[in-house]
Amino acid sequence: DTAVSQTPKYLVTQMGNDKSIKCEQNLGHDTMYWYKQDSKKFLKIMFSYNNKELIINETVPNRFSPKSPDKAHLNLHINSLELGDSAVYFCASSQRQGYGNTIYFGEGSWLTVV
Amino acid sequence: DQQVKQNSPSLSVQEGRISILNCDYTNSMFDYFLWYKKYPAEGPTFLISISSIKDKNEDGRFTVFLNKSAKHLSLHIVPSQPGDSAVYFCAASDNGNQFYFGTGTSLTVIP
Repeated sequence: DTAVSQTPKYLVTQMGNDKSIKCEQNLGHDTMYWYKQDSKKFLKIMFSYNNKELIINETVPNRFSPKSPDKAHLNLHINSLELGDSAVYFCASSQRQGYGNTIYFGEGSWLTVV
Repeated sequence: DQQVKQNSPSLSVQEGRISILNCDYTNSMFDYFLWYKKYPAEGPTFLISISSIKDKNEDGRFTVFLNKSAKHLSLHIVPSQPGDSAVYFCAASDNGNQFYFGTGTSLTVIP
């Protein structure tokens, strides 16, 4: 059983399109995240939700909009895709906040914008 | 500004020897640290953590050392096995919620 699953795993799309990446966790965790790993391998947090409430919103273009219909799901919608959006996007979840926190990652979604 | 740095992009070690992966951080407020392992085309998986109240944490073949004064931590793997070949990320936080990751060190264990 996959603990944190995200779809699609690979996505190639043209500039200007709108796309979504879906994420689901079956761990019963309260907190979910989206991370981006760019071409330089930096793994940076984009958003964090706790019980469907946004708690971390890093400096991300507002073309990126997370949506959490329930605490087991956190989807990422991207409008007007740009070449620089090409990256690997990781969904993640954790049981708790604060010390002792351990983040569980999905397998990643490879987004290529052409 | 990269607050967590892993200055060695790659490391090769003979099977059975010790692997030492290093991580430096700049923010003195960081007090909770994680190490992750990542295989190609997979997400990072949690290995081991340490908080600043300790200077060492051990889990089987994996030991993490923390030197707060030097703002440095290291992950020791002994003995190294070919299955340990992966990219290793360290991550740091000052509140346990928002983690800053290094760029990873690719470890190759040579049989």
